[in-house]
Amino acid sequence: DTGVSQNPRHKITKRGQNVTFRCDPISEHNRLYWYRQTLGQGPEFLTYFQNEAQLEKSRLLSDRFSAERPKGSFSTLEIQRTEQGDSAMYLCASGPWAGSYNEQFFGPGTRLTVL
Amino acid sequence: ILNVEQSPQSLHVQEGDSTNFTCSFPSSNFYALHWYRWETAKSPEALFVMTLNGDEKKKGQISATLNTKEGYSYLYIKGSQPEDSATYLCAFGPKETSGSRLTFGEGTQLTVNP
Repeated sequence: DTGVSQNPRHKITKRGQNVTFRCDPISEHNRLYWYRQTLGQGPEFLTYFQNEAQLEKSRLLSDRFSAERPKGSFSTLEIQRTEQGDSAMYLCASGPWAGSYNEQFFGPGTRLTVL
Repeated sequence: ILNVEQSPQSLHVQEGDSTNFTCSFPSSNFYALHWYRWETAKSPEALFVMTLNGDEKKKGQISATLNTKEGYSYLYIKGSQPEDSATYLCAFGPKETSGSRLTFGEGTQLTVNP
């Protein structure tokens, strides 16, 4: 399977715990994006990387959130001191850098439930 | 704040019916408009990327049109099948970020009854 993969698919945690999600993009894609989707809403942009550089972060990405893409391949999204409001589907997407109008290919998401 | 709106919110049709949805977006600062289909427990699937005013794209029985001057796009499904049941999302890519930061609508949830 050469699509975008995300792990884990589901995560249940207690409030105050830290969680980390992983995204493996399509191998030839330079850009990697994180979005969050809550019930009844469309996905909301969180951040994106071009290779290993984090080029943009949304105001939604509070200090408790950090994303990395150390070697320009896979990416991790960490949430520290989780809150119940962090419960959502976290989606990762990847895309080629240029010439595609930023077409983005999504993974299946990680569903986080904070108890 | 970018406003991307989709209508209707949900739609129930019978197998064989044709249907269409609307996505409205800011007409200024336009770079690209994306359509996705998202089935439960699967990855959102890219259907179309539309960039030019008057664009019309087709994939099987699904087609889409784009009007950037008035800020709307239509998605049409001809002869819906139960397997077309999904949430259809549109996403607006603004010129200021070369379309990288997508703003999504809330989606139209389509249910096709056999």
